Amino acid sequence: AAGVIQSPRHLIKEKRETATLKCYPIPRHDTVYWYQQGPGQDPQFLISFYEKMQSDKGSIPDRFSAQQFSDYHSELNMSSLELGDSALYFCASSFTWAGGTEAFFGQGTRLTVV
Amino acid sequence: AQKITQTQPGMFVQEKEAVTLDCTYDTSDQSYGLFWYKQPSSGEMIFLIYQGSYDEQNATEGRYSLNFQKARKSANLVISASQLGDSAMYFCAMREQTSGTYKYIFGTGTRLKVLA
Repeated sequence: AAGVIQSPRHLIKEKRETATLKCYPIPRHDTVYWYQQGPGQDPQFLISFYEKMQSDKGSIPDRFSAQQFSDYHSELNMSSLELGDSALYFCASSFTWAGGTEAFFGQGTRLTVV
Repeated sequence: AQKITQTQPGMFVQEKEAVTLDCTYDTSDQSYGLFWYKQPSSGEMIFLIYQGSYDEQNATEGRYSLNFQKARKSANLVISASQLGDSAMYFCAMREQTSGTYKYIFGTGTRLKVLA
């Protein structure tokens, strides 16, 4: 069965650079979520999209932006990177309409800012 | 206030024994979902089991079962016949409705170590 695909799996960037993380949700899932998990931390909700519209926003810095495209893939753009942005970034998708399903997570993108 | 509380930062269990990982939650919603995810050292987040707030029976998935006590707002994960491969971080999560869709809130996790 198809799963959530994230790319790249690993990314190393320097401070003040820009990074773009991509997420391809499970086909027919209508909701995409982005989470940030710092070292030894629980995943923190950043932002979500329902049917390509932003549906909720969590603790996402102003330096970050995200969007969902017509083919349902989503991108998280991160600018002016800081050392503290080093984390595992998860994308998840679910089928929300008619009650919802569990969220399935991608394997994550490990971002290291040096 | 913490909506998902996992009070056990770490647990040890002997191989082939059962182990219970605790989770309590806080919500005023009538409809909500509770989930358990496993995160091995490789980092991926693996869905294990789901319990809906209106489900009268405890959820089971193979060796995983969820001990759901609604009045006490607890949703403990029980792993039977532990295996070495069960060593991982385990997160309890709650799905709450927001702005017409859902958001998943995670607890701080419990690191389980299975001993040979």
